[in-house]
Amino acid sequence: AQSVTQLGSHVSVSEGALVLLRCNYSSSVPPYLFWYVQYPNQGLQLLLKYTSAATLVKGINGFEAEFKKSETSFHLTKPSAHMSDAAEYFCAVSHNFGNEKLTFGTGTRLTIIP
Amino acid sequence: GAGVSQSPRYKVTKRGQDVTLRCDPISSHATLYWYQQALGQGPEFLTYFNYEAQPDKSGLPSDRFSAERPEGSISTLTIQRTEQRDSAMYRCASSLERSGNTQYFGPGTRLTVL
Repeated sequence: AQSVTQLGSHVSVSEGALVLLRCNYSSSVPPYLFWYVQYPNQGLQLLLKYTSAATLVKGINGFEAEFKKSETSFHLTKPSAHMSDAAEYFCAVSHNFGNEKLTFGTGTRLTIIP
Repeated sequence: GAGVSQSPRYKVTKRGQDVTLRCDPISSHATLYWYQQALGQGPEFLTYFNYEAQPDKSGLPSDRFSAERPEGSISTLTIQRTEQRDSAMYRCASSLERSGNTQYFGPGTRLTVL
């Protein structure tokens, strides 16, 4: 069985400050890990994914995430927040065999303070 | 098509009625997934298709829920005798055939059961 825990359902940061959204996973086999972003009234958009290549993954819009097996974590970061980053962010896990269904966390709503 | 499309975008129905939701995946994608997302939660897996085959229906909440993809392209999700607890966003995603490929999500169908 696999699961994802996102610590903090709401995170607020000032514009220009560091963004850190936390994700811990549980998986009995090597995982694939994903971050998706959901803007209001839009579908889920992939930010980045880890598929057992480099542990530091760079995504769109300046986001990156680091896979840390020892900590079972895949935290999302961005050095400098922009107003347009305000959205809901979902971490998800799948594994590299079987149906590869995504198991999502409950999401973190990011608010940017001007 | 250019992306995953879903219709209708919004559906309001009365308890006990049947509803059918439609998903049109990206044309080259063999694999299609359905997810249910309750308010304030992450999406939860319902079922998936590889072409027209449906290898996993384990996420369907009850036998009132069914899905099909008869020609390996467009898929429908049908909920019979709807209940208020079925109110949710229903999301469809498609991907190239497995192996960690990205799932591309449609905009979703917001179902409200009165």
